Amino acid sequence: AQSVTQLGSHVSVSEGALVLLRCNYSSSVPPYLFWYVQYPNQGLQLLLKYTSAATLVKGINGFEAEFKKSETSFHLTKPSAHMSDAAEYFCAVSGGYQKVTFGTGTKLQVIP
Amino acid sequence: DAGVTQSPTHLIKTRGQQVTLRCSPKSGHDTVSWYQQALGQGPQFIFQYYEEEERQRGNFPDRFSGHQFPNYSSELNVNALLLGDSALYLCASSSNNFSNQPQHFGDGTRLSIL
Repeated sequence: AQSVTQLGSHVSVSEGALVLLRCNYSSSVPPYLFWYVQYPNQGLQLLLKYTSAATLVKGINGFEAEFKKSETSFHLTKPSAHMSDAAEYFCAVSGGYQKVTFGTGTKLQVIP
Repeated sequence: DAGVTQSPTHLIKTRGQQVTLRCSPKSGHDTVSWYQQALGQGPQFIFQYYEEEERQRGNFPDRFSGHQFPNYSSELNVNALLLGDSALYLCASSSNNFSNQPQHFGDGTRLSIL
């Protein structure tokens, strides 16, 4: 069975500051890991994915995440927050047959 | 190239009624998954369809059923609606031939139960 835990349901950062959203995973098999973003009244948009290639994964909109097996972590970062980054972010893990298990989400607030 | 499309966008039903939600997958995709996202929660996996059969199922009662058609589109049916079924229902599509590729999501159907 796979699961993810997102630490912090709400995160606030100032515009221009570092964004760090935390995710820890549990998986009995080598996992596929994802970060999705959800804007109000919309579906989920893929930010980035880890599929056992490079451990540092770069995604869209300047986001990146690092897979750390020893820490079972896959934290999402962005060097400089922009107002348009305000949204809800979901970490997710997938095993066989692409069933995806999502975390409970982290709402990011960007303060001008 | 159209992405995943879902219909309707919004739906209001009353307790005890039945509802059908529809999903057309992204072109080239043959696998459809359905998720329920309650307010303030992450999406929860309902089930997945491939080759017109239910391949995996999450922890949802039999009131939730589905179907996949030869053109890969899919329906989610919910019977005997409860207040707790109020949620955003998301459809996601993918290709079975590329199991490490992420799912593509539609914008969802917002179901409200009165």
